[in-house]
Amino acid sequence: KNEVEQSPQNLTAQEGEFITINCSYSVGISALHWLQQHPGGGIVSLFMLSSGKKKHGRLIATINIQEKHSSLHITASHPRDSAVYICAVWNYGGSQGNLIFGKGTKLSVKP
Amino acid sequence: DVKVTQSSRYLVKRTGEKVFLECVQDMDHENMFWYRQDPGLGLRLIYFSYDVKMKEKGDIPEGYSVSREKKERFSLILESASTNQTSMYLCASSRGRSYQPQHFGDGTRLSIL
Repeated sequence: KNEVEQSPQNLTAQEGEFITINCSYSVGISALHWLQQHPGGGIVSLFMLSSGKKKHGRLIATINIQEKHSSLHITASHPRDSAVYICAVWNYGGSQGNLIFGKGTKLSVKP
Repeated sequence: DVKVTQSSRYLVKRTGEKVFLECVQDMDHENMFWYRQDPGLGLRLIYFSYDVKMKEKGDIPEGYSVSREKKERFSLILESASTNQTSMYLCASSRGRSYQPQHFGDGTRLSIL
């Protein structure tokens, strides 16, 4: 079983829809990282969080430490949000190198 | 903004060649990382470095080596390239010893023929 599971693997939405991507993990963590990868390949850091909720523009990330679960929400989705969204966690007590990645959720937003 | 620059976006090499992938960051970050990304497998850590001349193996170091002679530059070396090393390679950097966001380069898509 993977230590970081994302769902769904693929998601197609219509422009304007509210989108939720889920991340569940089975290890104790120090922090969780949401990343975005566009079709060209480059990866951009969206959020790093260890508790509660963070918001940036139309993106909201939440984490529930007790339930070992995080969600990434996109409000008023737009075709430019089409990308792969990756969840990654730092294993509690692990080194900086011990970042465990999910396999990603591929989002396609249709106009 | 942090800039992580990888030397090539696309690279084609032949089996048995020695291949160098270069990565440079401009924000004086202590930590640098090399990952490979394959369909269905996600990102996997090859090597990372906390400081100049320091390196540590990640999850899949076999067939690779690294060099960090200067703080801003981290090189990945494929000693004798093989077809199973065809992949997307991503470099990242981050600050300090606490958990900080990693900043990624645009990636190098390497094909070994």
